[in-house]
Amino acid sequence: AQSVTQPDIHITVSEGASLELRCNYSYGATPYLFWYVQSPGQGLQLLLKYFSGDTLVQGIKGFEAEFKRSQSSFNLRKPSVHWSDAAEYFCAVGTYPSGEYGNKLVFGAGTILRVKS
Amino acid sequence: GAGVSQTPSNKVTEKGKYVELRCDPISGHTALYWYRQSLGQGPEFLIYFQGTGAADDSGLPNDRFFAVRPEGSVSTLKIQRTERGDSAVYLCASSFDRDTGELFFGEGSRLTVL
Repeated sequence: AQSVTQPDIHITVSEGASLELRCNYSYGATPYLFWYVQSPGQGLQLLLKYFSGDTLVQGIKGFEAEFKRSQSSFNLRKPSVHWSDAAEYFCAVGTYPSGEYGNKLVFGAGTILRVKS
Repeated sequence: GAGVSQTPSNKVTEKGKYVELRCDPISGHTALYWYRQSLGQGPEFLIYFQGTGAADDSGLPNDRFFAVRPEGSVSTLKIQRTERGDSAVYLCASSFDRDTGELFFGEGSRLTVL
């Protein structure tokens, strides 16, 4: 069965420091991979997605992620964190086969990011 | 509307009661999803509608849970004989037909069963 592991429950970084959030997935076929962010009182917002092609994906708010098939990983990075980035981040894998309707996601448990000034 | 709208935002009920949660997707989105997010967990898939029909209900935990989307737009998640373990945030998301990309999520309905 498909699964997503986010090994870090909490991460604290200083404002202006770089950030990497880890994500490992288990999926038999070529995965569709996503990172979502959830701020308190707000819905999940898509940061970026990977379907195919270039394994380094750029997203909104200065985030990027790199797909590494050999490591089954899709880690999220940002070169310089801002206080407004404090939120919970979820990695997800899309589980419907390519070409089928819909996009059923399996989510990781999330990583809470704290930013200290 | 501009985004996915869910009502109520908060619902407190007693064990054994019946609950309905409503989702109004983005206009024109034919795909609609329900997820459940328990404390400290990521969202878990419940059911997916393509138009009026449930294309995949494999995530519904038991037969106390049921969802409808009679006109292919608004959806209602129905929970019978609620249990304390049903307490969670219920998230709704919608997307374009045949789009393998972004799901647009609502802010969720927080259900507390006493």
